[in-house]
Amino acid sequence: EDQVTQSPEALRLQEGESSSLNCSYTVSGLRGLFWYRQDPGKGPEFLFTLYSAGEEKEKERLKATLTKKESFLHITAPKPEDSATYLCAVGRGNDYKLSFGAGTTVTVRA
Amino acid sequence: DARVTQTPRHKVTEMGQEVTMRCQPILGHNTVFWYRQTMMQGLELLAYFRNRAPLDDSGMPKDRFSAEMPDATLATLKIQPSEPRDSAVYFCASGLNSEAFFGQGTRLTVV
Repeated sequence: EDQVTQSPEALRLQEGESSSLNCSYTVSGLRGLFWYRQDPGKGPEFLFTLYSAGEEKEKERLKATLTKKESFLHITAPKPEDSATYLCAVGRGNDYKLSFGAGTTVTVRA
Repeated sequence: DARVTQTPRHKVTEMGQEVTMRCQPILGHNTVFWYRQTMMQGLELLAYFRNRAPLDDSGMPKDRFSAEMPDATLATLKIQPSEPRDSAVYFCASGLNSEAFFGQGTRLTVV
């Protein structure tokens, strides 16, 4: 059975204080590791897909990396607008059925 | 700006009533997913379709939930009869190859 574990559950940062979120996973036949951002009252918003160990992707202040057992989402010099819950998911099978972690809620104070 | 559209956004209903949630996937996407999100369980996959054919509904309580795609522009999720434990946010998502794009969700409260 797929397992996706995210840590920490919550992260409070000062504006400009860089940090990393962790997503560890156990899945047979990984087809992709996905990162989403979710704001309160909204649906998850797609950020990145990583397909193989060693792959990295960046978007503004976010950078996602992947190893064989975990993925990291690095937030560099965060701003208050980066406050959100960040969800990690693993996809498998031809239809990319996603199994989600519980998420990390990030709060960035000005 | 292409997006997944879900209606209604909010629904309050009494226990035992039928609830229908609707989803318009992004035009051209061939895979549609239904997820449920609660504080306790997080995001759970209920069912999904590819090219309108149901592929997996193992996440759904079969006795009360049903999901259909009458055409390429409409997916529905029905609960009959509804129960208080069904209270959650229900998300529809659509995709073409790998990434799934989510709608804003239907917040269901069963009293």
